[in-house]
Amino acid sequence: QVNLLQSGAALVKPGTSVELSCKASGYSFTDYYIHWVKQSLGKGLEWIGYINPHSGFTDFNEKFESKATLTVDKPTNTAYMELTRLTSEDSATYYCTRGAYNNYVMDAWGQGASVTVSS
Amino acid sequence: DTVLTQSPTLAVSPGERVSISCRASEGVDSYVHWYQQKPGQQPKLLIYKASNLASGVPARFSGSGSGTDFTLTIDPVEADDTATYFCQQSWNDRTFGGGTKLEL
Repeated sequence: QVNLLQSGAALVKPGTSVELSCKASGYSFTDYYIHWVKQSLGKGLEWIGYINPHSGFTDFNEKFESKATLTVDKPTNTAYMELTRLTSEDSATYYCTRGAYNNYVMDAWGQGASVTVSS
Repeated sequence: DTVLTQSPTLAVSPGERVSISCRASEGVDSYVHWYQQKPGQQPKLLIYKASNLASGVPARFSGSGSGTDFTLTIDPVEADDTATYFCQQSWNDRTFGGGTKLEL
């Protein structure tokens, strides 16, 4: 079955960066896009962007273009998201999801990774 | 950005029929999808493209709508349906509604 296994919780200092991982299994990794979604108490669910694992093409929510970098490692079926210049506003749970049905829908979600930004 | 508006909470009793609404600030064709999120869990896809039931989802769940007004219906509601329900559009980038918390 389709599974997206995310890295664990992270406690990071303001101004630094963090890299989250998302290991896919149960399907052909390069056949589906990977999206990243932020969930915070104040802002609800926000789409960050997606990557095409086959080509490496990315597309972002304008709000996150300078905040997030998306990459993949095809041999290990793993997607990564790096968040830079962290502030308290970046404290949230981040989900990786699989894009399906011509990439319109997120049909599978990772378990989420909590990021806390605090000194 | 396309804003999706949902009512914050709904209270129903088991066995009843409930309709959860989602209104878009501009037309999004039929590109609205519904997710269920239980406390401490990740969201789960229920309905895609307004009215298509996702794999493994009980037929008690159904969706309708197009343009700017969309509805998720649960009939009959069961105690296990206690959760927050989000709509999401993928016509103009991707945005989510604020969620409707269903209380039983």
